[in-house]
Amino acid sequence: DAGVIQSPRHEVTEMGQEVTLRCKPISGHNSLFWYRQTMMRGLELLIYFNNNVPIDDSGMPEDRFSAKMPNASFSTLKIQPSEPRDSAVYFCASSEGRDRESGANVLTFGAGSRLTVL
Amino acid sequence: AQKVTQAQTEISVVEKEDVTLDCVYETRDTTYYLFWYKQPPSGELVFLIRRNSFDEQNEISGRYSWNFQKSTSSFNFTITASQVVDSAVYFCALFMNRDDKIIFGKGTRLHILP
Repeated sequence: DAGVIQSPRHEVTEMGQEVTLRCKPISGHNSLFWYRQTMMRGLELLIYFNNNVPIDDSGMPEDRFSAKMPNASFSTLKIQPSEPRDSAVYFCASSEGRDRESGANVLTFGAGSRLTVL
Repeated sequence: AQKVTQAQTEISVVEKEDVTLDCVYETRDTTYYLFWYKQPPSGELVFLIRRNSFDEQNEISGRYSWNFQKSTSSFNFTITASQVVDSAVYFCALFMNRDDKIIFGKGTRLHILP
């Protein structure tokens, strides 16, 4: 299995531009998570999906951020308009989802997308 | 409130020394899971261990060992005979059944000096 695939790996853009980050989860995983990592705040959960449905988006910083999962093999995180404070590494992770008997499943992370907004 | 605290921001030890990374968590749930992840300089996050709240047995995997104590809400990680390749940021994380999501501590940056 190729693992969780994220693109782009690096993105440099100017303030005000739209940014779209992409994620392909592991085939068969039905939960998908978007995290943001910064030095100040560490790893923050932005949003997660279960069976393509957004379950909790309380971590999304503001309306400039949106995420979609149109099918089981693809998700996007969009920032419009971008600001310098959005500069961070954005991780996508997937898991087999939560089974009430087996409990929390392990997250497999992608390599991350490093975003720099000038 | 649910929270994971890794009080050690950064640690440096000389190769071959033992080092313990602390993790303290807060949760009102009786059923929860604890994790450790490693983030080497290359940036990816690598799963190390998962432990559920009903299993307080300590675990050893090679040079790595974990000590889970519910009485003190701690899940500490010890590396024995550290090696330079252990240099990384280590994250402790908590999953709560009720919230259905994983929250991470701020991480501990570990430097193993040759």
